[in-house]
Amino acid sequence: DQQVKQNSPSLSVQEGRISILNCDYTNSMFDYFLWYKKYPAEGPTFLISISSIKDKNEDGRFTVFLNKSAKHLSLHIVPSQPGDSAVYFCAANFGNEKLTFGTGTRLTIIP
Amino acid sequence: DAGITQSPRHKVTETGTPVTLRCHQTENHRYMYWYRQDPGHGLRLIHYSYGVKDTDKGEVSDGYSVSRSKTEDFLLTLESATSSQTSVYFCAISDGGGYNEQFFGPGTRLTVL
Repeated sequence: DQQVKQNSPSLSVQEGRISILNCDYTNSMFDYFLWYKKYPAEGPTFLISISSIKDKNEDGRFTVFLNKSAKHLSLHIVPSQPGDSAVYFCAANFGNEKLTFGTGTRLTIIP
Repeated sequence: DAGITQSPRHKVTETGTPVTLRCHQTENHRYMYWYRQDPGHGLRLIHYSYGVKDTDKGEVSDGYSVSRSKTEDFLLTLESATSSQTSVYFCAISDGGGYNEQFFGPGTRLTVL
């Protein structure tokens, strides 16, 4: 049973435009949400996070939005750059030692 | 970057042989994790450790065992490798806490023929 879902396996966006990656979850008890970015042949790296008491967190070009009533979060990247081409994973946490990851979305930025 | 290494980085083995993957950290983090990444499944937790000699199962632990005899080392063993265990394996470390931000190693690509 997939508790964290990324329903879009891939996404292509023109350079300079906004990229929006989506993530849905089923368990309302999740307290924290994280986004990771992964390049080929490398391990995932942490990108940005948000707690369930907030609805938005911003870090430079990256903003994460949380809609608790819809059990939905999204990552906005603006403007998109070629170096943003990667696989993005969302993850959720009950505030304990384990993360539950989604299946990932491959983002391709078109020059 | 967190000091975390994995060895070997690539391995090809045959069905039925034992395989051990090693994760080594220099950050003195309490928690260590083993994940596998497969197309369509994302990152799935195999086992994790919350201290020396303290380990617990993840969602895909069948066919795998782990050991942690020192804070810095976490070993993943496939007692008798099967083709379904062909995957990319990632080790991660964390200090715990609310967000439990985890830092990942570079991965080991394992092929079981």
